[in-house]
Amino acid sequence: EAGVTQFPSHSVIEKGQTVTLRCDPISGHDNLYWYRRVMGKEIKFLLHFVKESKQDESGMPNNRFLAERTGGTYSTLKVQPAELEDSGVYFCASSQGRGAYEQYFGPGTRLTVT
Amino acid sequence: ELKVEQNPLFLSMQEGKNYTIYCNYSTTSDRLYWYRQDPGKSLESLFVLLSNGAVKQEGRLMASLDTKARLSTLHITAAVHDLSATYFCAVVFYNTNAGKSTFGDGTTLTVKP
Repeated sequence: EAGVTQFPSHSVIEKGQTVTLRCDPISGHDNLYWYRRVMGKEIKFLLHFVKESKQDESGMPNNRFLAERTGGTYSTLKVQPAELEDSGVYFCASSQGRGAYEQYFGPGTRLTVT
Repeated sequence: ELKVEQNPLFLSMQEGKNYTIYCNYSTTSDRLYWYRQDPGKSLESLFVLLSNGAVKQEGRLMASLDTKARLSTLHITAAVHDLSATYFCAVVFYNTNAGKSTFGDGTTLTVKP
C-alpha cells in the first residue's frame, strides 16, 4: 500500500512568488494534517482536515497560507506571496476515521524562499 | 497550550555507548509517540506509549512513559552508526475529531565509530 506522498520534494522560490504544495494521503484516510518545521525547530501543526472540511486551522500562521482538500482526497497548501520566514520543511500526515488512529507522515517538502 | 520540551537537541555519541533522550510535556495527553527521521525521509513511528509505566523496546532503543511526571525517555543502548538520525517525541490529545500532534524540537543523534 502506498504511503503518504508529497510533491514537490524541494522547491526554491523568490520572495513574493507563489508556491503550491501537494499531499496525497493514504487511500481511505479521512484525516489529513499539515505540519511544518522551520529553522530546525519543532514540527508545528498547521491544520487538520476531516474529509474536505477544515476541522482545525489554528496553526495557520497568517492569511498568506491557503489549504484546500477538494473532494476529500489530496490536499494543497498554497503560500502567496511567500516570505523568507516561510522557508522550512512542510509535512503532511494522514490517519483513519474518528478515534485514536496513528498518523502516517509523508517525506515532506523542503521550501526555500530566497 | 500544550508544550513539549526535548533534550538534548544535539547528541554526539561513540559507538557502544549508552545515552538517554528526554521528553517533557506540560499537560495530560492521550498518547506519546517517538519518531525517527532520516534526512529527506518520512517520520517513522518507533513507539507509541499509552499509559503510565509503559515500556517498549525495539533493538537498541527502549522508550518509557511516566505520566505523573509528564516525562518520557528514549534510551539508547550500545549505540551503532545506523542509529544516527533525528528523533522526535510527540504528544497527542484526541478529542472527538481525532488529534493533532505536538512535537518536541527533535534530537539530532550522531553516532561516531
